[in-house]
Amino acid sequence: AQSVTQPDIHITVSEGASLELRCNYSYGATPYLFWYVQSPGQGLQLLLKYFSGDTLVQGIKGFEAEFKRSQSSFNLRKPSVHWSDAAEYFCAVGARSRGYQKVTFGIGTKLQVIP
Amino acid sequence: EAGVTQSPTHLIKTRGQQATLRCSPISGHTSVYWYQQALGLGLQFLLWYDEGEERNRGNFPPRFSGRQFPNYSSELNVNALELEDSALYLCASNDLGDYGYTFGSGTRLTVV
Repeated sequence: AQSVTQPDIHITVSEGASLELRCNYSYGATPYLFWYVQSPGQGLQLLLKYFSGDTLVQGIKGFEAEFKRSQSSFNLRKPSVHWSDAAEYFCAVGARSRGYQKVTFGIGTKLQVIP
Repeated sequence: EAGVTQSPTHLIKTRGQQATLRCSPISGHTSVYWYQQALGLGLQFLLWYDEGEERNRGNFPPRFSGRQFPNYSSELNVNALELEDSALYLCASNDLGDYGYTFGSGTRLTVV
């Protein structure tokens, strides 16, 4: 069975500082990996996804993530955080099982941005 | 192109009542997924519908049910509401050959 761990429940960074959100996954084969962002009271928006190929993935809003198979990680990064980035971030792993796609989400990391 | 739309945005029900939540997927998407996001519990998979059939369900009691209509829109029904059913219910859609979902903005269900 697949699983996702986001070890940081809450992170606070200063505006303009760099950001790294951690994500570790467990899955027997090559996973499909995603990062979503959720603003308060809203649905989830896809930031980026990894299926295969280049292990450094560029997403929307200036985010990127790097797939590291040896570490079973898919950490999300941004070089300079803006106040509007304050939100909750979810890492997810997807897999094909019995002909359908199953996506499992992490518990989420809540990002606070201080001036 | 319209995204995934959910209605109503907010719903307040009394314990024991029934709630009906609705979802319209992106045009061309045949699969609809329902998730429950309760406070502190992350996203819990509820149900998956594709081509009008229930394909899989998560670890929820039978009072959580739904259906998918010929136009691929979907309905989630929660019977005999309990206080702990209070949550944000998210609907997502994709085309079965795709990976990853597009989410709606959710329905906030409050049971009092």
